[in-house]
Amino acid sequence: EAGVAQSPRYKIIEKRQSVAFWCNPISGHATLYWYQQILGQGPKLLIQFQNNGVVDDSQLPKDRFSAERLKGVDSTLKIQPAKLEDSAVYLCASSPRTGGAGELFFGEGSRLTVL
Amino acid sequence: EDKVVQSPLSLVVHEGDTVTLNCSYEVTNFRSLLWYKQEKKAPTFLFMLTSSGIEKKSGRLSSILDKKELFSILNITATQTGDSAVYLCAAQVLNAGGTSYGKLTFGQGTILTVHP
Repeated sequence: EAGVAQSPRYKIIEKRQSVAFWCNPISGHATLYWYQQILGQGPKLLIQFQNNGVVDDSQLPKDRFSAERLKGVDSTLKIQPAKLEDSAVYLCASSPRTGGAGELFFGEGSRLTVL
Repeated sequence: EDKVVQSPLSLVVHEGDTVTLNCSYEVTNFRSLLWYKQEKKAPTFLFMLTSSGIEKKSGRLSSILDKKELFSILNITATQTGDSAVYLCAAQVLNAGGTSYGKLTFGQGTILTVHP
């Protein structure tokens, strides 16, 4: 079974530029998450989708971050304009469950450096 | 605000030692506690605990949950250099409507370094 795919793996931009990250979850997984992991910290949830609907985006800085999952499959996370503090690894995860406890499957992440 | 705290933040041991990693949580609508291992890439799943007092084991790793005292421990016996990683615990919660969509709130991680 193919895992969660993310691209690009690495991105370096200057502050105030924009960047987009792409995620393709495991086939058939209804729930998709974007997490931000700053160096030395645990992952922090940015947004959670159930199919193509947003379940939780309470910690997404909506003035600069946006995310979509138009057809309920792959997803894009955009940052515009980027700030220095956005330097982090952006992890995408998916889960097959629509309810109940269950593990999340993570992609390898997209590492963003903002100069 | 949901909170998950891990201790110690870092640990250095020698091969063969036994280590205990701690995780305490204060979350609303707790559903389960998950442990992940993170090397220089994506977190990989270790355990999911939903019931108090039932130990889960996988080789040299074991974990247990105490829902009364709101904590979990991860034990690693006979450590090896390959165990060197960041160990993350996360609390899975129900959403406000009472159905679970699996959201995880992570602790900051414990950095384990195992020397030969």
